[in-house]
Amino acid sequence: EADIYQTPRYLVIGTGKKITLECSQTMGHDKMYWYQQDPGMELHLIHYSYGVNSTEKGDLSSESTVSRIRTEHFPLTLESARPSHTSQYLCASRRTGTVNTGELFFGEGSRLTVL
Amino acid sequence: EDKVVQSPLSLVVHEGDTVTLNCSYEVTNFRSLLWYKQEKKAPTFLFMLTSSGIEKKSGRLSSILDKKELFSILNITATQTGDSAIYLCAVGGSDSWGKLQFGAGTQVVVTP
Repeated sequence: EADIYQTPRYLVIGTGKKITLECSQTMGHDKMYWYQQDPGMELHLIHYSYGVNSTEKGDLSSESTVSRIRTEHFPLTLESARPSHTSQYLCASRRTGTVNTGELFFGEGSRLTVL
Repeated sequence: EDKVVQSPLSLVVHEGDTVTLNCSYEVTNFRSLLWYKQEKKAPTFLFMLTSSGIEKKSGRLSSILDKKELFSILNITATQTGDSAIYLCAVGGSDSWGKLQFGAGTQVVVTP
């Protein structure tokens, strides 16, 4: 069973608020990812990290930012939330050494609703 | 641009039926195709396929890859209500960051 945790699981906030979605894994994985998923739609990669102090934007443009100060921690921040940010955010990580073929381990997701 | 297309988008079956889910893809320098099951929580890993024609099995689930025709199928035999979920297909290319391109998923509902 994967040891990757996301908090909060559910969040309802007002427009303009700053929010941080937390993601932590205890497996020592170097590679971590944030995906955004809307109902009936595919997962879209919004950020990824190859290791500490390494972050890149994904294929889907996002106003969020990420940081990777520690291997186990990969938080996502929205400085000023808007209703268009309402979505489910999934964090994932991958075993070191499995660059292209290894499975992703997912957290349980953070469902964000911005009013 | 990499693309993963799953079909059907959704289906409803009775317990005991067999279902076949399809995943076609276009990806630069294909490396692997993965199937996930997503219930209310996190997607959970089912299979990873890298070679054509080799069936992978886990209980009532099986999957096979055709790298020539660029598709994979996931079969579920003797379906149970616990098989109700969204089944996601994802493809990985030669990108060194290990990113996966996901399809929109197939929602399977198994009725008693």
